[in-house]
Amino acid sequence: EVQLVESGGGLVQPGGSLRLSCAASGFTFRSYWMSWVRQAPGKGLEWVANIKQDGSEKYYVDSVKGRFTISRDNAKNSLYLQMNSVRAEDTALYYCARINYWSGYMYYFDYWGQGNLVTVSS
Amino acid sequence: QLVLTQSPSASASLGASVKLTCTLSSGHSSYAIAWHQQQPEKGPRYLMKLNSDGSHSKGDGIPDRFSGSSSGAERYLTISSLQSEDEADYYCQTWGTGGVFGGGTKLTVL
Repeated sequence: EVQLVESGGGLVQPGGSLRLSCAASGFTFRSYWMSWVRQAPGKGLEWVANIKQDGSEKYYVDSVKGRFTISRDNAKNSLYLQMNSVRAEDTALYYCARINYWSGYMYYFDYWGQGNLVTVSS
Repeated sequence: QLVLTQSPSASASLGASVKLTCTLSSGHSSYAIAWHQQQPEKGPRYLMKLNSDGSHSKGDGIPDRFSGSSSGAERYLTISSLQSEDEADYYCQTWGTGGVFGGGTKLTVL
């Protein structure tokens, strides 16, 4: 059974830093692109970042470029999101998600974690 | 610009059927999408991927009550024999330079 379990969230002051982790199990982690998706309170889903299987390619939504860094450790089956210079608008539930590829069509998220709350407030 | 548009809300009676719509922006009518369900206080759950010709493939354990279809730039999710646990937010998703989501449709089961 595929499982994605996020941790590391909490309350952080504006301008501060936080590191989210996602522990993956039930599949060959090193074979998949992985992603972070967030959901602000009462709002919809927003893609945040992706990372390739070997970590060689990373992509970010414009609003977090230069502040957030996605990384992975395939030996530990873990995904990370280092969040620096956080802002109030970064307050959200952060989901770890596995990316799959529908050959010839598109990438899509096929498994999701339960989410981890990050609150940015003084 | 690649945009997915969904109606904010929908409702239908217990045991009835409902058809939710996701509309692709101009110039993107051939794109495939995925549908995700988010029940209250839970993480999203992948339901199915859906192509422009209506062919679709569901995720693990998704009941036969859930089906997908397409017409032009519109992608549909039909839920038949509605049950109380189908009350949830439903999001469509595609891919541009990264993941792109519709705004979601909140489904109320009456």
